[in-house]
Amino acid sequence: DVKVTQSSRYLVKRTGEKVFLECVQDMDHENMFWYRQDPGLGLRLIYFSYDVKMKEKGDIPEGYSVSREKKERFSLILESASTNQTSMYLCATSGGLYEQFFGPGTRLTVL
Amino acid sequence: GDSVTQMEGPVTLSEEAFLTINCTYTATGYPSLFWYVQYPGEGLQLLLKATKADDKGSNKGFEATYRKETTSFHLEKGSVQVSDSAVYFCALSALGNYQLIWGAGTKLIIKP
Repeated sequence: DVKVTQSSRYLVKRTGEKVFLECVQDMDHENMFWYRQDPGLGLRLIYFSYDVKMKEKGDIPEGYSVSREKKERFSLILESASTNQTSMYLCATSGGLYEQFFGPGTRLTVL
Repeated sequence: GDSVTQMEGPVTLSEEAFLTINCTYTATGYPSLFWYVQYPGEGLQLLLKATKADDKGSNKGFEATYRKETTSFHLEKGSVQVSDSAVYFCALSALGNYQLIWGAGTKLIIKP
């Protein structure tokens, strides 16, 4: 089975802090994705990566950056956290053009 | 561009009721279609999929048929259980595209 792990289930940070969310997968998948999930808005794509050191902006990249130095690891970075970035963050992976496999999510609260 | 529209929730049903969650899509070509489920406190997991017209995806008693003529992929279950309470997402993958296009999600609440 595909396993996708995220570094924290719950995280509380202060406004202005730099925040790192880590995602690790064990299935050698090429594609990795970061989403945020907010009530009434569904899933919105922040960034995705289709190869090591490659990244593409999604629908809402502002205020975020990503890093993919190794195939199995995809990090989401909030350079200066703000309260409007309080959300559930979901990482997903895909080995092809179709289904995605998700981690359990990180619920981030920015105070 | 491509899009997915699913019925707004929450949908509240009694145990053993029949379930339909509507999903329609707009896409060029022949997308693959998916239903994902998110149980409380968890990430999303694939429930079922269909990759071509008239295909029927099924899993855990849920079914959905890829209807190209009506551009729909409605989720159905004959008899729901309390454990089916979750948020259900419809999604499509356009040919040659890494990304999935997501519906807004439908929260399902099953009362005993």
